[in-house]
Amino acid sequence: TQLLEQSPQFLSIQEGENLTVYCNSSSVFSSLQWYRQEPGEGPVLLVTVVTGGEVKKLKRLTFQFGDARKDSSLHITAAQPGDTGLYLCAGEETSGSRLTFGEGTQLTVNP
Amino acid sequence: NAGVTQTPKFQVLKTGQSMTLQCAQDMNHEYMSWYRQDPGMGLRLIHYSVGAGITDQGEVPNGYNVSRSTTEDFPLRLLSAAPSQTSVYFCASSLAGAGTEAFFGQGTRLTVV
Repeated sequence: TQLLEQSPQFLSIQEGENLTVYCNSSSVFSSLQWYRQEPGEGPVLLVTVVTGGEVKKLKRLTFQFGDARKDSSLHITAAQPGDTGLYLCAGEETSGSRLTFGEGTQLTVNP
Repeated sequence: NAGVTQTPKFQVLKTGQSMTLQCAQDMNHEYMSWYRQDPGMGLRLIHYSVGAGITDQGEVPNGYNVSRSTTEDFPLRLLSAAPSQTSVYFCASSLAGAGTEAFFGQGTRLTVV
């Protein structure tokens, strides 16, 4: 099983601040997905990055896939209380459709 | 759109009891999987299936069985529940192929006492 290390595990910031969440591995993934999970719900996909060096933007969220396809980052600009939630990265193994999840980052944005 | 439906949402079991967690999807997805989520450990893969009649073990399969007799259903069986199996269980489905989105159910919160 390929491992993904996600950091930080917890993040509490004030509204308007910027933040970055990191997802790192020593293994190569065929794609990297970012999910967001609300309490009592299942994770919901935010974005998928497939190509090494790829950058995708979703409003105030910027996702980047490392050149070697081993790491990824999620950057949120001007965080809002509505961004509060659990963010999970998931790497798709090169051998098939299996997803390996990071430990998750619990983000709290205080008004 | 129903998507992925899990039942029950909550369950309390006594140690040694068995039960089946149900998962059904109506999107004709080939790939289905079961995860457990524990604090600080993300989601860990228990079992998965790439199509009807085909199942395989994930990262933490011990104490769990699965079967896939139809494309739609992928039940997870706990053979003899243990307190270590207290967790939140999620079923997910997706199309086969690289980079496809996984759709998750709402989860089953299981407590084993």
